[in-house]
Amino acid sequence: DVKVTQSSRYLVKRTGEKVFLECVQDMDHENMFWYRQDPGLGLRLIYFSYDVKMKEKGDIPEGYSVSREKKERFSLILESASTNQTSMYLCASSPAGTVGTNREQYFGPGTRLTVT
Amino acid sequence: AQKVTQAQTEISVVEKEDVTLDCVYETRDTTYYLFWYKQPPSGELVFLIRRNSFDEQNEISGRYSWNFQKSTSSFNFTITASQVVDSAVYFCALSEAYNFNKFYFGSGTKLNVKP
Repeated sequence: DVKVTQSSRYLVKRTGEKVFLECVQDMDHENMFWYRQDPGLGLRLIYFSYDVKMKEKGDIPEGYSVSREKKERFSLILESASTNQTSMYLCASSPAGTVGTNREQYFGPGTRLTVT
Repeated sequence: AQKVTQAQTEISVVEKEDVTLDCVYETRDTTYYLFWYKQPPSGELVFLIRRNSFDEQNEISGRYSWNFQKSTSSFNFTITASQVVDSAVYFCALSEAYNFNKFYFGSGTKLNVKP
């Protein structure tokens, strides 16, 4: 079974703090993703990475950065947390896709972040 | 433009009823993939099915079935004889062949199955 783990299920941080969310997958997947999930908005892609040290912006990258130093680990960084970043954060991974063979993503349990 | 629409925000049924969750998508690609995920209260999205655009055969897996119709750009999900454990948020997603790393998720449908 694919296993995607996230460092915390619940996190409470103060405005202005630097926040690290960690994600680890154990299936040697090339691709990793960070989403945030808000009621009524579904999942929105923040960043994804298709290889070590490679990253691409998703739909809502503002206020976030990412780091991928090892294949199995993908970190999401909130440089200066703000209250509008209170949300559920979901990490996912997938094998490398090729044109015509899109692969499903596997998700971690999520981190519910509250910024006060 | 919104790629995936799940118009039903929330549905409530009584156990053993059948329920259909609607998904309408939009794409210009001729090759694409559609997915359904389940998100139980625990929070983790669970992959249910993947379908490519060239395969319009309906799929059945136990009490779950999926109806893919390209003519109406829909990929609907039916649960037969629903159970309380089916209570969850269900997401439909689209991935286009030439942008295969990007998923477009619908806003989700919350299904409440009451005993």
